[in-house]
Amino acid sequence: DSGVTQTPKHLITATGQRVTLRCSPRSGDLSVYWYQQSLDQGLQFLIQYYNGEERAKGNILERFSAQQFPDLHSELNLSSLELGDSALYFCASSVGGRGLRGYTFGSGTRLTVV
Amino acid sequence: AQSVTQLGSHVSVSEGALVLLRCNYSSSVPPYLFWYVQYPNQGLQLLLKYTTGATLVKGINGFEAEFKKSETSFHLTKPSAHMSDAAEYFCAVSRSGSEKLVFGKGTKLTVNP
Repeated sequence: DSGVTQTPKHLITATGQRVTLRCSPRSGDLSVYWYQQSLDQGLQFLIQYYNGEERAKGNILERFSAQQFPDLHSELNLSSLELGDSALYFCASSVGGRGLRGYTFGSGTRLTVV
Repeated sequence: AQSVTQLGSHVSVSEGALVLLRCNYSSSVPPYLFWYVQYPNQGLQLLLKYTTGATLVKGINGFEAEFKKSETSFHLTKPSAHMSDAAEYFCAVSRSGSEKLVFGKGTKLTVNP
């Protein structure tokens, strides 16, 4: 157990729907990062939050949004889902805002859009 | 912008043989370099990292990597492969002071008995 908790582990939903993925960072970590892993794109950085504020943005679609709450857990919202959104979504956390000690990853949420 | 190239999407070795996974990076500033391992149906686990100081970095499970600035490389090695090393390995780079990790496409390591 890495200490980073992601729920749910698996999600199957239909095109056009909206889903919310949840991440609880490791105790003491202030930063949360979201990554999408797919066979064709590999690991793509989506977004980072540090202590409740957006810190960095990557290749995140406008249909996707995220937030980090006062208790530091984070949610990634995916809407108007398309077949191509099927992927593994990872959350990672780090102590500081710079991730220099490396991230701790959760075990991921596998999203299947049918 | 930083980028990472991992040579060989698949590497196959015999148990007991040397493991060498190649990683070359591109960075306009001194990089921070990482290797992660991903076992099937699991998240990524940090193997080792280079930030500053000694260029030969030792990690977990007997792996090590050497930062070679002149070659812009950070290859991962292990003297003797074990069956339990079979997994996918990712090299990643971060600009010093930057938050974002940029990952390579990954190398899947197969260990044959």
